[in-house]
Amino acid sequence: EIVLTQSPGTLSLSPGQRATLSCRASQSVNSKYLAWYQHKPGQAPRLLIYGASNRASGLPDRFSGSGSGTDFSLTISRLEPEDFAVYYCQHFDHTPPIYTFGQGTKLEIK
Amino acid sequence: QVQLQESGPGLVKPSETLSLTCSVSGASTSIDYWGWIRQPAGKGLEWIGRTYASGIDFSPSLKSRVTMSVDTSKNQFSLKLSSVTAADTAVYYCVRERPNGNDWRDFDYWGQGMLVTVSS
Repeated sequence: EIVLTQSPGTLSLSPGQRATLSCRASQSVNSKYLAWYQHKPGQAPRLLIYGASNRASGLPDRFSGSGSGTDFSLTISRLEPEDFAVYYCQHFDHTPPIYTFGQGTKLEIK
Repeated sequence: QVQLQESGPGLVKPSETLSLTCSVSGASTSIDYWGWIRQPAGKGLEWIGRTYASGIDFSPSLKSRVTMSVDTSKNQFSLKLSSVTAADTAVYYCVRERPNGNDWRDFDYWGQGMLVTVSS
């Protein structure tokens, strides 16, 4: 089973700054099955990025995803106040069918 | 607009069976993939399993205790988790896998989540 490790655990930044969140897989994965979510307290997680680099419908273009193989990243170019949340990466494996999530990165206001 | 809503007991005794139902509007449970994800307090997200027209898939770590079913007449799907312990205390989300023609695998709609506590 593939393990996703996210870093850092907590990222403290100010609005307007650039955020880069990392997701590392325990073995090489198909980037088609790598997604990112934003999760705010009391809300359902929100799909941000699918296929490692494709923005979900309606997502502001300050969000971008990149990576391949074992190393993936989510970048927020200029942080807005509403971007402070927990972010998760997710992978799907076909054989056997299983979804795994990283442990999350908390993006907090500095 | 697709909406999902979890329902069921919020308190379950140890060794008993946790039962949740997800009611769906704006989409049909007779097609697409529908599943469950949970989040213990202070921890990350854990996929439980999914149901679809031709089968069911489960997380290997929970497989022996999980049952899922779909009631297309009510447009609902359900989760049963047997022999629960305190470790099963979590917020449980029902989810839809985003339908697409390119084999992308992710979740586009989530319920609001339901806290289920396992305690005597």
